[in-house]
Amino acid sequence: QQQVKQSPQSLIVQKGGISIINCAYENTAFDYFPWYQQFPGKGPALLIAIRPDVSEKKEGRFTISFNKSAKQFSLHIMDSQPGDSATYFCAASGNNQGGKLIFGQGTELSVKP
Amino acid sequence: ETGVTQSPTHLIKTRGQQVTLRCSSQSGHNTVSWYQQALGQGPQFIFQYYREEENGRGNFPPRFSGLQFPNYSSELNVNALELDDSALYLCASSSRDLAKNIQYFGAGTRLSVL
Repeated sequence: QQQVKQSPQSLIVQKGGISIINCAYENTAFDYFPWYQQFPGKGPALLIAIRPDVSEKKEGRFTISFNKSAKQFSLHIMDSQPGDSATYFCAASGNNQGGKLIFGQGTELSVKP
Repeated sequence: ETGVTQSPTHLIKTRGQQVTLRCSSQSGHNTVSWYQQALGQGPQFIFQYYREEENGRGNFPPRFSGLQFPNYSSELNVNALELDDSALYLCASSSRDLAKNIQYFGAGTRLSVL
């Protein structure tokens, strides 16, 4: 059972554009929603995370939007740069999950110069 | 850099063999989680160790086992290797006493089973 669904699978954006990646979850007990960035040959790096008591969190060019009623959250990358080209994973976790992260399938982002 | 180190970086084994992967957690962290990441997929939770005991397990068979040591480092052991075990194995450390969900990953061990 896939508890976190991520889309799109791949995304091409021009330099300076906005990249948007979406995730939907099923388990209403989830209370922590991180985004990870992974470069080839590297482990996932924590980018930004949100808890359901807020609807938006911004850190630099990265923003998470959270819609609790729709059970959806998204990552927005403003002013996308070629260095942002990587695979992005959303994840979810909850107290009843024992701290384990459940990941989406990933989005391969390519930012063209 | 997260401070989470994994060894070895790459490993090649043949079907039926056994393998041990190692992870040193970030300073101050007492919890280690292991994940398997197949090519083109998101990481899948294998199990988590806290205070040297298994604390949660994903949908993996018993031939996947682990250990956590008093210094919070950890090992992942896989017996009777199968071709489908070929993947990137990731270790993540966290502090259960603080924000337990916040996990920092190492660079992983790339296992190839021939």
